[in-house]
Amino acid sequence: KQEVTQIPAALSVPEGENLVLNCSFTDSAIYNLQWFRQDPGKGLTSLLLIQSSQREQTSGRLNASLDKSSGRSTLYIAASQPGDSATYLCAVYSNAGKSTFGDGTTLTVKP
Amino acid sequence: DAGVTQSPTHLIKTRGQQVTLRCSPKSGHDTVSWYQQALGQGPQFIFQYYEEEERQRGNFPDRFSGHQFPNYSSELNVNALLLGDSALYLCASSLLTGVRLDYGYTFGSGTRLTVV
Repeated sequence: KQEVTQIPAALSVPEGENLVLNCSFTDSAIYNLQWFRQDPGKGLTSLLLIQSSQREQTSGRLNASLDKSSGRSTLYIAASQPGDSATYLCAVYSNAGKSTFGDGTTLTVKP
Repeated sequence: DAGVTQSPTHLIKTRGQQVTLRCSPKSGHDTVSWYQQALGQGPQFIFQYYEEEERQRGNFPDRFSGHQFPNYSSELNVNALLLGDSALYLCASSLLTGVRLDYGYTFGSGTRLTVV
């Protein structure tokens, strides 16, 4: 059974800091990994999708890496802003039908 | 280009009742997945529909059932509601290419279900 863990559960940083969010998974036989952002009480917004054959993806100030062999992914946020405050979730797709989510990291960026 | 739309946005039901939630996938997507998200937790996979059939199912009881229509829209039905069914229910659509999920999921804003 696939298990996904996100550490830390919560993170508070001053504006402008670079930060790293971690996601680990137990079964390395994944197809894709996707990072999402969720604002309180809202749905999920896709940030980055990394296919199993890729090692990283970049979008603006965000960079996500994937190391399948070690069961890890990181989301790097550069020059954090108060608008980045949200919960960040990672999801792994272990086969074409099922996905497993972590419980997320709640990020607070202080002005 | 419309994204994933879910209705209703909020719902209050009494324990023991039945509820139906609706989802219209993003244009061009053919697969719909449903998730239950309790407060402070990540979404839990309920099931996935493709070609009007349930393709995969998570660890949820038979009280949770679904349907997909020819236009790819979907319904989630929950019977005999329990207080513990109170959660945010999320619908996600995707494009299933062969057996690989190449494009990830697009999520709707969810339906907040409260069971009293």
